[in-house]
Amino acid sequence: SAVISQKPSRDICQRGTSLTIQCQVDSQVTMMFWYRQQPGQSLTLIATANQGSEATYESGFVIDKFPISRPNLTFSTLTVSNMSPEDSSIYLCSVELDRDHQETQYFGPGTRLLVL
Amino acid sequence: GQNIDQPTEMTATEGAIVQINCTYQTSGFNGLFWYQQHAGEAPTFLSYNVLDGLEEKGRFSSFLSRSKGYSYLLLKELQMKDSASYLCAVIMNTGFQKLVFGTGTRLLVSP
Repeated sequence: SAVISQKPSRDICQRGTSLTIQCQVDSQVTMMFWYRQQPGQSLTLIATANQGSEATYESGFVIDKFPISRPNLTFSTLTVSNMSPEDSSIYLCSVELDRDHQETQYFGPGTRLLVL
Repeated sequence: GQNIDQPTEMTATEGAIVQINCTYQTSGFNGLFWYQQHAGEAPTFLSYNVLDGLEEKGRFSSFLSRSKGYSYLLLKELQMKDSASYLCAVIMNTGFQKLVFGTGTRLLVSP
């Protein structure tokens, strides 16, 4: 499996501000994914980031609120814009890797965000 | 819409066997993952099923019945460190691996 890191690991932010979360992988990957995990809940896919093209957003998530960059095959950023307390959540990136001839998703350690 | 259900919480004792069920109704299906997630940590991959039947991997096994929209994760010889949330995730039938996660099952293993 790849080594996936995220920065920051946690942050406390004021409402109305924006935070950019970085995801770095130690190998080149085609697909990267961004998820949100609200307190006590399971994971919800925000968007899929493919290098060289616009991110594909899931229902309920829009680019103005969650802009994503994917400048190369090892890096992506997710910005949480104009934050409100409802954005308090864990944000995770994941990558798709071939494992024993099966594409499997591996997750980064997550970024814990608290919005006051 | 997509519907993936798991029991919210289960308890078991050390050394026992526990079965965590997952039922799904999704518009597509290209396989199913099980992940383990300890509190405050990222999900870690446990198993993958795409064909009907049982996949065994040490103390953990996972079963799939596509016709019934049903999977389970079987944990044997439970250890305290198995206390965690267990998430099933369906791979939707798209060109890339879009995952839809179940509600997650919190397992508490007691001595």
